[in-house]
Amino acid sequence: GQQLNQSPQSMFIQEGEDVSMNCTSSSIFNTWLWYKQDPGEGPVLLIALYKAGELTSNGRLTAQFGITRKDSFLNISASIPSDVGIYFCAGRYTSGTYKYLFGTGTRLKVLA
Amino acid sequence: NAGVTQTPKFRVLKTGQSMTLLCAQDMNHEYMYWYRQDPGMGLRLIHYSVGEGTTAKGEVPDGYNVSRLKKQNFLLGLESAAPSQTSVYFCASSFTAGTGIRGTDTQYFGPGTRLTVL
Repeated sequence: GQQLNQSPQSMFIQEGEDVSMNCTSSSIFNTWLWYKQDPGEGPVLLIALYKAGELTSNGRLTAQFGITRKDSFLNISASIPSDVGIYFCAGRYTSGTYKYLFGTGTRLKVLA
Repeated sequence: NAGVTQTPKFRVLKTGQSMTLLCAQDMNHEYMYWYRQDPGMGLRLIHYSVGEGTTAKGEVPDGYNVSRLKKQNFLLGLESAAPSQTSVYFCASSFTAGTGIRGTDTQYFGPGTRLTVL
């Protein structure tokens, strides 16, 4: 089945560093979502994006809806140990549907 | 509020056995979903429900059945388990259609059920 490609698959960073990850698709989406999953837990929604070019922040997190509508980016500034986890992107094809395509995830590890 | 709860947390089955996973939410959400999560893959939608008494197929429905007899509960059944169904299963719920925090985009996930089929 179709999936969203996330990059990088995993990353180790030092505490205090900025982090960037992205999500690309061959399909156009009307909505991009970014989730974080802690070990042993379900994903939690971080940011939702609805317009091409839109830039939205949630604390130290900033996400952008790519202009082509086929990609999205997530940045984390000044990382802290609790940022550890798996970050998933998800795209919704068209309004009014309840089906989402999820990315393969970026596993983030922060070294204190 | 407990949010979304799932029962059981872990289960080991033998091939051919049956079982039911229970999802319960106390947020009065209309929509509920079942996903599976496999290593190296994104979450994949199995079945979903847009209201009590209604269900619909998702991306990977084969081998699973669901029921939504009560608004707060969404059951996922495996009639004859297969090793390919070894996975972590997540239930989620959301408000009705629309965008933003009151819409389907804000899905609240349960903690997951780790199922192993031998």
